[in-house]
Amino acid sequence: DAKTTQPNSMESNEEEPVHLPCNHSTISGTDYIHWYRQLPSQGPEYVIHGLTSNVNNRMASLAIAEDRKSSTLILHRATLRDAAVYYCILSSSNTGKLIFGQGTTLQVKP
Amino acid sequence: NAGVTQTPKFRVLKTGQSMTLLCAQDMNHEYMYWYRQDPGMGLRLIHYSVGEGTTAKGEVPDGYNVSRLKKQNFLLGLESAAPSQTSVYFCASSRQGAIQPQHFGDGTRLSIL
Repeated sequence: DAKTTQPNSMESNEEEPVHLPCNHSTISGTDYIHWYRQLPSQGPEYVIHGLTSNVNNRMASLAIAEDRKSSTLILHRATLRDAAVYYCILSSSNTGKLIFGQGTTLQVKP
Repeated sequence: NAGVTQTPKFRVLKTGQSMTLLCAQDMNHEYMYWYRQDPGMGLRLIHYSVGEGTTAKGEVPDGYNVSRLKKQNFLLGLESAAPSQTSVYFCASSRQGAIQPQHFGDGTRLSIL
């Protein structure tokens, strides 16, 4: 299963944009890039996912490099409620298995 | 719409006891997954199912068994609980594998003494 590399932690100021990077140099052609986040004492929450093209939804944007070896999750205006652990995950198109790494702990300062 | 419901929410067991964790989803999803999460770590996949009557091993399947007799339910069993299985267990479901997002339950906090 392909793995991802993320910074352990990041800080942001409230109402500023946040760019969370992820490297996945061993991604295969059929792997989807998923982002989930987990607030304390809660189950993971889906944020966004994509295959090749950039994606936007009400929560965030996903920018995927042309060679697909890296991606960036963009939160356009961070709020205190966005403080969480963010996981970048590659998912096999056959099984949908999510192999979680350590994730990035995002702190948002008021 | 309940989504993914896990039962029980908390449980304390003694070493060697057995128990079954229940996961129920009301979204008619084909795929279901069981994960465990130890303190300070990401989730690890235990077993998963790509449809009723099917199961497959994940990253850490040893010591666990699963069954998917009904599409809406996915059961995780511990036949002889060990302290190393103390963890928070999450169930998830999705409509169509990697193409669709997974919906997670609120977790079951299991302590084994």
